[in-house]
Amino acid sequence: QQPVQSPQAVILREGEDAVINCSSSKALYSVHWYRQKHGEAPVFLMILLKGGEQMRHEKISASFNEKKQQSSLYLTASQLSYSGTYFCGTERTSGSRLTFGEGTQLTVNP
Amino acid sequence: GAGVSQSPSNKVTEKGKDVELRCDPISGHTALYWYRQSLGQGLEFLIYFQGNSAPDKSGLPSDRFSAERTGGSVSTLTIQRTQQEDSAVYLCASSSRDGSEAFFGQGTRLTVV
Repeated sequence: QQPVQSPQAVILREGEDAVINCSSSKALYSVHWYRQKHGEAPVFLMILLKGGEQMRHEKISASFNEKKQQSSLYLTASQLSYSGTYFCGTERTSGSRLTFGEGTQLTVNP
Repeated sequence: GAGVSQSPSNKVTEKGKDVELRCDPISGHTALYWYRQSLGQGLEFLIYFQGNSAPDKSGLPSDRFSAERTGGSVSTLTIQRTQQEDSAVYLCASSSRDGSEAFFGQGTRLTVV
């Protein structure tokens, strides 16, 4: 039931764009996105709900394709501060447990 | 407190000893999660408490692991007869009942020597 993230890692130069994907084989109620910096706890970015709209956090946005049970996180004009590991978490029903993917390590270089 | 609090922040224990890890969730949050994260790895689900419902224990790796949540607030994760492979950061998170964002504590780094 663990969602699958791709790619596993990506390296960017500052200002470049990236897309991180998260997919599930089961129907989902919601998809969460978190970012974890080295040595720190994961921090919430956004939630996408079934039937909801695309979300945005600063220059990061995400979409949720209910037909494909897939979410994509779009990082536009990346900044050095975007570096970290991005995790998607999924809930199958409202209030059910949150299960995370293996993470995508993003490195933004000057 | 304002956030999720975990204690201790670091714990070194000898193989075979029992350990208890504590989590104080955000006041009013009915959902509480425990995850385990090994170095450079993902967030491995351990157990989930939601209100008065029976906890989802499906992620506990063995019967040496147990957790309880008293009074719908503080939670304790107990690992009996610790093994070296139990070494990891144990993260606790809480969220409100509507399944909104989860807030993570800073974790307990467990080292079994």
